[in-house]
Amino acid sequence: DIVMTQTPLSSPVTLGQPASISCRSSQSLVHSDGNTYLSWLQQRPGQPPRLLIYKVSNRFSGVPDRFSGSGAGTDFTLKISRVEAEDVGIYYCTQATQLPLTFGGGTKVEI
Amino acid sequence: EVQLVESGGGLVQPGGSLKLSCAASGFTFSDHYMDWVRQAPGKGLEWVARVRNKTKRYTTDYAASVKGRFTISRDDSKTSLYLQMNSLKAEDTAVYFCTRYISPGRGFDPWGQGTLVTVSS
Repeated sequence: DIVMTQTPLSSPVTLGQPASISCRSSQSLVHSDGNTYLSWLQQRPGQPPRLLIYKVSNRFSGVPDRFSGSGAGTDFTLKISRVEAEDVGIYYCTQATQLPLTFGGGTKVEI
Repeated sequence: EVQLVESGGGLVQPGGSLKLSCAASGFTFSDHYMDWVRQAPGKGLEWVARVRNKTKRYTTDYAASVKGRFTISRDDSKTSLYLQMNSLKAEDTAVYFCTRYISPGRGFDPWGQGTLVTVSS
C-alpha cells in the first residue's frame, strides 16, 4: 500500500498569513496513464470532508483561489496564501493512483 | 444540488451485521464510481470499498481490513449505494461516509454527512 505522510501534524497560523502543508508518498504517484492522482481535502469541525484540489494542482469548483497545490512524484504541498477564520480544520492528502486508496494522517490548522 | 445522504448506522454487538444505505440526488448516479470511506472517532480517514459503474461491469474493490466481511453494492434505478457489513468488530466503529469518485482522477465529491456505526457489547 502507498503510505501518505503529512507534516506538520498541527499548524498554528495567524489570520492573513500564509500556511503550508506537506505530503509525501512512499512511492511515486505518477499513474501509468501519465497523470498524478493526488488530491487535498478539507474537513471543518463537525463536517464531512470537502474536495479542495485534485490532480496535484487543480482547484475544485467553488474553492477560493487562496488555496493552491503543487508538487510531483512523491512530494506535494498545499498552500493557503492568506489564512481566513473559515480555514480552520484538518487537511488530508489522498492518492488515487493505486488501490487501496490511502490518506495522509491529517494536518490540523488552527488559529 | 448534488447530494448524498447516508442512513442505517447504529449500535451493534460484535459479530453482528448492519446494512448502510446512501441516497444520491442531483447528478447522474449511474455514471459514477461510488466509494465508502470511514473515520474512527477522533481519527483520520480510511477508504473502505468501491463499486464502479455499469461500463466497468460494477466491479468492486475492498480494503484488506474489511475484505470478506463487507459487501458494497448499488442500485442505479434507485440511485442508491449500500454497504452490507457482517462479522462486525469493535475496530469497525466509525462514521461511514459515502462519496462519489469523479473519474478520471478528479477526486471525491460530494461527501455525505456520514452515519455512525458503533460496535460494542
